[in-house]
Amino acid sequence: AQSVTQPDIHITVSEGASLELRCNYSYGATPYLFWYVQSPGQGLQLLLKYFSGDTLVQGIKGFEAEFKRSQSSFNLRKPSVHWSDAAEYFCAVGPQGSQGNLIFGKGTKLSVKP
Amino acid sequence: NAGVTQTPKFRILKIGQSMTLQCTQDMNHNYMYWYRQDPGMGLKLIYYSVGAGITDKGEVPNGYNVSRSTTEDFPLRLELAAPSQTSVYFCASKLGTEAFFGQGTRLTVV
Repeated sequence: AQSVTQPDIHITVSEGASLELRCNYSYGATPYLFWYVQSPGQGLQLLLKYFSGDTLVQGIKGFEAEFKRSQSSFNLRKPSVHWSDAAEYFCAVGPQGSQGNLIFGKGTKLSVKP
Repeated sequence: NAGVTQTPKFRILKIGQSMTLQCTQDMNHNYMYWYRQDPGMGLKLIYYSVGAGITDKGEVPNGYNVSRSTTEDFPLRLELAAPSQTSVYFCASKLGTEAFFGQGTRLTVV
């Protein structure tokens, strides 16, 4: 079965601290991988995506993610969190190519304390 | 270029009422989607469309209907609203592999 697991429902970090949000997936073929961010009352915005090639991908707002095939993981990282990063983060997988639908994880809510 | 526009932003319905959630995109994307988002549950796919005139069920289609008469519009219809349909609804369109989301419609059924 295809699925995405985000083990952490809620994470709190101090401003300036580093951040890692975990994502594990189960997918029959090699998937495309995505991280989206949702600010309160807003839609989802794409942070970054992985299709192939270099397993460390850079995204917007200083985020990066690393694809580890052996662990079926695609963890999101940021070296220094800003208060404006407080939001909910969703990991998603989809089939290679332009067809097909995304499967989303349940999300991780990030709180940032001063 | 407005992207994906959803209306209304908020709505309260009584049980048994019907309504249509509107979704329009101006990016000429063929793929469009309707998701619902419930707390702690992520996004669940309700219906999707791969082009005008073509629609298909997603993971949670019961209680909903869609149509796709044009590339731009993908309305979601609730015929007999139930409390279980209280949720936040997101429309999305896709070009290639990147999906673009609307800002959502928060629906409460009482």
